[in-house]
Amino acid sequence: ETGVTQTPRHLVMGMTNKKSLKCEQHLGHNAMYWYKQSAKKPLELMFVYSLEERVENNSVPSRFSPECPNSSHLFLHLHTLQPEDSALYLCASSWKLNTEAFFGQGTRLTVV
Amino acid sequence: GDSVTQMEGPVTLSEEAFLTINCTYTATGYPSLFWYVQYPGEGLQLLLKATKADDKGSNKGFEATYRKETTSFHLEKGSVQVSDSAVYFCASLQETSGSRLTFGEGTQLTVNP
Repeated sequence: ETGVTQTPRHLVMGMTNKKSLKCEQHLGHNAMYWYKQSAKKPLELMFVYSLEERVENNSVPSRFSPECPNSSHLFLHLHTLQPEDSALYLCASSWKLNTEAFFGQGTRLTVV
Repeated sequence: GDSVTQMEGPVTLSEEAFLTINCTYTATGYPSLFWYVQYPGEGLQLLLKATKADDKGSNKGFEATYRKETTSFHLEKGSVQVSDSAVYFCASLQETSGSRLTFGEGTQLTVNP
């Protein structure tokens, strides 16, 4: 069992759909992160949570809405996305802020 | 701000060739340094790390040495295999309040049989 599990692995959604990405970590970590990885672009840090409190929101459009109900789970709610939002969305966790991160396998999102 | 610069890819090698992927960093202090690897269709996996100057991180035949004098953390492997084909990311982390992992842009490695 991997330490950080993301579901689904692949998602195709229309621009009017609402969907959610799920991340679960089994490492006892206190910080969780969402990253976006697009082709030909550097990794983009989207959101950071520490002890279930959002501590960073890097100018991400409101059509992306994170939720962290407890320190083991992190969601990314998606609504009215655009084709340019198609990317690999990576979840990560770390023991605390400012320590090395462990990544999930990602959700490959395609917006049509 | 902090930044990480990697050699541009893609890099294509034959099996058993020697690999070097260059990485340099800029930081106000002395960050921890990491190499992550991303295999096709997967997330990032931590490959190795070094937390202070002159430390050598190693794993799966890969090595990297933290060089403060040249602000570098080059990744090396003496004999690559086809299964090493992946994207390699160098990253730095300042363990101070407000800091996050800073990633390089990634280097695509393809190893041919």
